[in-house]
Amino acid sequence: TQLLEQSPQFLSIQEGENLTVYCNSSSVFSSLQWYRQEPGEGPVLLVTVVTGGEVKKLKRLTFQFGDARKDSSLHITAAQPGDTGLYLCAGVLYNQGGKLIFGQGTELSVKP
Amino acid sequence: ETGVTQSPTHLIKTRGQQVTLRCSSQSGHNTVSWYQQALGQGPQFIFQYYREEENGRGNFPPRFSGLQFPNYSSELNVNALELDDSALYLCASSRRQGWGQETQYFGPGTRLLVL
Repeated sequence: TQLLEQSPQFLSIQEGENLTVYCNSSSVFSSLQWYRQEPGEGPVLLVTVVTGGEVKKLKRLTFQFGDARKDSSLHITAAQPGDTGLYLCAGVLYNQGGKLIFGQGTELSVKP
Repeated sequence: ETGVTQSPTHLIKTRGQQVTLRCSSQSGHNTVSWYQQALGQGPQFIFQYYREEENGRGNFPPRFSGLQFPNYSSELNVNALELDDSALYLCASSRRQGWGQETQYFGPGTRLLVL
């Protein structure tokens, strides 16, 4: 079983639509990060959230960390074809230093 | 500022062989972590090195081993390769500061295929 459950695993939408990706766990995380990965490349960091209830915005992307620090969401407004890629959430548990625990990823395809 | 680099980019090995993958950390970073990413999956933590010592290990057998050098670069060695070892191997570097607060920056990965 995955410690971090990410949903949906696949998402295919039209340009201009909105979408939300969820990352859920029964464990409490000291911080949570969202990455985007292109085929054949390493994950690129989008944002780090560290405070329960925190909301961060990055242009059309909005990231939220749950109050209990067990879940997070990524919302994209007016998706564009350039948003296509694999989105990964990754958390750090307390007492586990820098070990990142990843979700399974969400494969997003935005069609023009 | 130089980012994280990995070599080689691609590698083909046969079952039973041994492989060494290399990683150069980003300038100013002192910690290196290694991850294995199977096709269609999220990365899985292998181990982390800090100040040349292993500092945490995931659920991987002892045939996965590593080193960190004084310049903070690192190697991942895998002995007795198995077909299931075929994956993208990612290296991430970070600067150890607050507990659990460090941000990891990933290299492009090494694609390993075991036949």
